[in-house]
Amino acid sequence: GENVEQHPSTLSVQEGDSAVIKCTYSDSASNYFPWYKQELGKRPQLIIDIRSNVGEKKDQRIAVTLNKTAKHFSLHITETQPEDSAVYFCAASLGGSARQLTFGSGTQLTVLP
Amino acid sequence: NAGVTQTPKFRVLKTGQSMTLLCAQDMNHEYMYWYRQDPGMGLRLIHYSVGEGTTAKGEVPDGYNVSRLKKQNFLLGLESAAPSQTSVYFCASSYSFGSTDTQYFGPGTRLTVL
Repeated sequence: GENVEQHPSTLSVQEGDSAVIKCTYSDSASNYFPWYKQELGKRPQLIIDIRSNVGEKKDQRIAVTLNKTAKHFSLHITETQPEDSAVYFCAASLGGSARQLTFGSGTQLTVLP
Repeated sequence: NAGVTQTPKFRVLKTGQSMTLLCAQDMNHEYMYWYRQDPGMGLRLIHYSVGEGTTAKGEVPDGYNVSRLKKQNFLLGLESAAPSQTSVYFCASSYSFGSTDTQYFGPGTRLTVL
């Protein structure tokens, strides 16, 4: 089955700095890679996703990059704000089925004012 | 639209007791999922359904059963609860067609098994 590893497990940055979270996956057939944000006590919510036919995608301060050859993808948050503090999860589709996702173990991001 | 809702929000069980968690969605989604979330382990797929009357096993199905009798509802059952099933359970749903695969999550159910 798919294995997704996520690093780092915790990340602290100063407000205004950039944050980068990295994930690697094992299944070369995976073709869908979403990122979810989960605030304390809340449900996970999709913040950005990317498909295997695209190398990069941006949405305002958030971007995701994908390297299919190396089987890794990264979340980039620029100009971080205190409200960006949360746990971020990456995920990869299982065997090309976008409906079955394997999640990483999460990154606790803290933005220090 | 209420989106995805879950009942109950909290529950405490004794070892060996049974219970059913209810997930409901009003977005006409074909696909529904049950995950469990444990500290430091992310979300793990328990069971999922690709349509009314269908279910399939995910990554960690042992000790759980599911049913999808109506398109809008997906039930997760624990027949004989064990302390290892203490977790936060999330339901999610998604479309089955088109270019969007976004999974929408419910608010979660915090289950403690003593």
